[in-house]
Amino acid sequence: GQQLNQSPQSMFIQEGEDVSMNCTSSSIFNTWLWYKQDPGEGPVLLIALYKAGELTSNGRLTAQFGITRKDSFLNISASIPSDVGIYFCAGPTDSWGKFQFGAGTQVVVTP
Amino acid sequence: DAGVIQSPRHEVTEMGQEVTLRCKPISGHNSLFWYRQTMMRGLELLIYFNNNVPIDDSGMPEDRFSAKMPNASFSTLKIQPSEPRDSAVYFCASSPWTGAVQYFGPGTRLTVT
Repeated sequence: GQQLNQSPQSMFIQEGEDVSMNCTSSSIFNTWLWYKQDPGEGPVLLIALYKAGELTSNGRLTAQFGITRKDSFLNISASIPSDVGIYFCAGPTDSWGKFQFGAGTQVVVTP
Repeated sequence: DAGVIQSPRHEVTEMGQEVTLRCKPISGHNSLFWYRQTMMRGLELLIYFNNNVPIDDSGMPEDRFSAKMPNASFSTLKIQPSEPRDSAVYFCASSPWTGAVQYFGPGTRLTVT
């Protein structure tokens, strides 16, 4: 079946540092979504990408839709303590809106 | 506007008991999804509905699990009988149209003892 790999699994960084994570798929996607989950809450949409090569920013977050359509990247610049959480990528697996989620990247920011 | 509403937020029950989780999607959304999240398996899609009709229930782990969507503003996920391995956080999500981004509720943390 379709595989969605997200890396790294976790990151421990100092406040002010930049963070990068990525997802790769065994299949071509026409949409990539990035979510963040805070402890005890549901995932919240950060960025949606719809076109190969697309680069989209949301504040200090920047995400890119890979040219091959099989990967996507999320960068967080100048991390702050509230960036702590689990970040998920997701891509569609059918035309009905079924999405597959990556395993998540846990980000820990230390002062 | 209110987001996806789930109840209860926490549920503790004994093995063998029936558990019913509830979800109210965002008004106007026509797709609804039920997920289960555990440390071991991550976020798994259990079932999803489009215009109140179940489209794919292949993620439902066993016959003990069932889901209904009697109308556009309400869905339930039922586990009967519950088992300790059902302990997880269950999320409901909705999207405004087929293939659109999904908006998640706060989840129900289920503990079966």
